[in-house]
Amino acid sequence: KAGVTQTPRYLIKTRGQQVTLSCSPISGHRSVSWYQQTPGQGLQFLFEYFSETQRNKGNFPGRFSGRQFSNSRSEMNVSTLELGDSALYLCASSLLGQGIQETQYFGPGTRLLVL
Amino acid sequence: SQQGEEDPQALSIQEGENATMNCSYKTSINNLQWYRQNSGRGLVHLILIRSNEREKHSGRLRVTLDTSKKSSSLLITASRAADTASYFCATAASGTYKYIFGTGTRLKVLA
Repeated sequence: KAGVTQTPRYLIKTRGQQVTLSCSPISGHRSVSWYQQTPGQGLQFLFEYFSETQRNKGNFPGRFSGRQFSNSRSEMNVSTLELGDSALYLCASSLLGQGIQETQYFGPGTRLLVL
Repeated sequence: SQQGEEDPQALSIQEGENATMNCSYKTSINNLQWYRQNSGRGLVHLILIRSNEREKHSGRLRVTLDTSKKSSSLLITASRAADTASYFCATAASGTYKYIFGTGTRLKVLA
């Protein structure tokens, strides 16, 4: 089976712009989670989707949003980009959406640089 | 912050030596997982230990869990240069799908 794929892999944007990142989970996986990783804050949970429903959201401003489609693919959007949004954005999928009870499989990440 | 703490933050050892890293967390948990990340890439799942388990082995990995102390340790035996990576523990508060990752330990294994 193909692993979790994320597109694009690298992205450069300027402050005030918006960005959409895409994640394709492993075939058959129904849960998709998103994380932001920065040197200062480490790995921070953004949100989790299961069957197109957001079940949990991390402590991020409303500029960060996401959605999941019926084929489990997910997108996250960041509007009005700030310099502090520069980070590695990681997507992870799991088969049954049982949270910490099961393994998450991570994609390679999208590295976003905001200038 | 709900984030777990890991120590040491960085560890440098010679090939063949054992590496031990520790994780402390703040909430009551059902399970705890360990992940490895190679140089700014995606995370790879290593092992899951359930709250009713005290120790678990997988190949050269040994994980312990002490729920009374809210801590876990990961031991890598006979380390190799390929083990060079950052290691994270992950938990979730009971009843949530919100993973909480530790701050990570950067391990460097010298050949």
